[in-house]
Amino acid sequence: NAGVTQTPKFQVLKTGQSMTLQCAQDMNHNSMYWYRQDPGMGLRLIYYSASEGTTDKGEVPNGYNVSRLNKREFSLRLESAAPSQTSVYFCASSPALTGTGRGTQYFGPGTRLLVL
Amino acid sequence: AQTVTQSQPEMSVQEAETVTLSCTYDTSENNYYLFWYKQPPSRQMILVIRQEAYKQQNATENRFSVNFQKAAKSFSLKISDSQLGDTAMYFCAFKGGSEKLVFGKGTKLTVNP
Repeated sequence: NAGVTQTPKFQVLKTGQSMTLQCAQDMNHNSMYWYRQDPGMGLRLIYYSASEGTTDKGEVPNGYNVSRLNKREFSLRLESAAPSQTSVYFCASSPALTGTGRGTQYFGPGTRLLVL
Repeated sequence: AQTVTQSQPEMSVQEAETVTLSCTYDTSENNYYLFWYKQPPSRQMILVIRQEAYKQQNATENRFSVNFQKAAKSFSLKISDSQLGDTAMYFCAFKGGSEKLVFGKGTKLTVNP
């Protein structure tokens, strides 16, 4: 199992450009999440998807959109990048709230994004 | 809203010694989960240990153990026989009835040879 994978690993954008961060998991998890991590901070939730076909806003959704393409994939889109979106982005997935590992989120390796 | 506080921004310990990282949280919920995640320089977020609030027994994973005090809303992490590879940021996290994890700001742990 690869677990949670993210692409790209690193990206540089100019202000106003758009891009999509990709995330996939092979653990058959129901829920998927996008977080951002800024210096000196823990992770903050951008958007999440509790199941295929549903998405909801988290703590810091402004400037982002998401798509839950299928059970495996959950993408994050920046339509018009801003320097304030310079951050490290993490995707995570979580199994259903019953059974082994319930409540636990498993993270991808992260994407470093620099917006100039 | 839930909050998670890690009062020690940085700590250091000698190799083979024991260190305890502190975490307190605030919630009105009764059923929840608590986690410690490790983030080494590679930036990967690695689950260290997990505690379910309804379980009175403290979780252990090899050299890692927790002291969970539900009434005090305290969840400290003890690392025994510290190793150089334990050098990392450690984040305490809370998950209640909502989907999101609430993270503390982290403790930077350095293990010295």
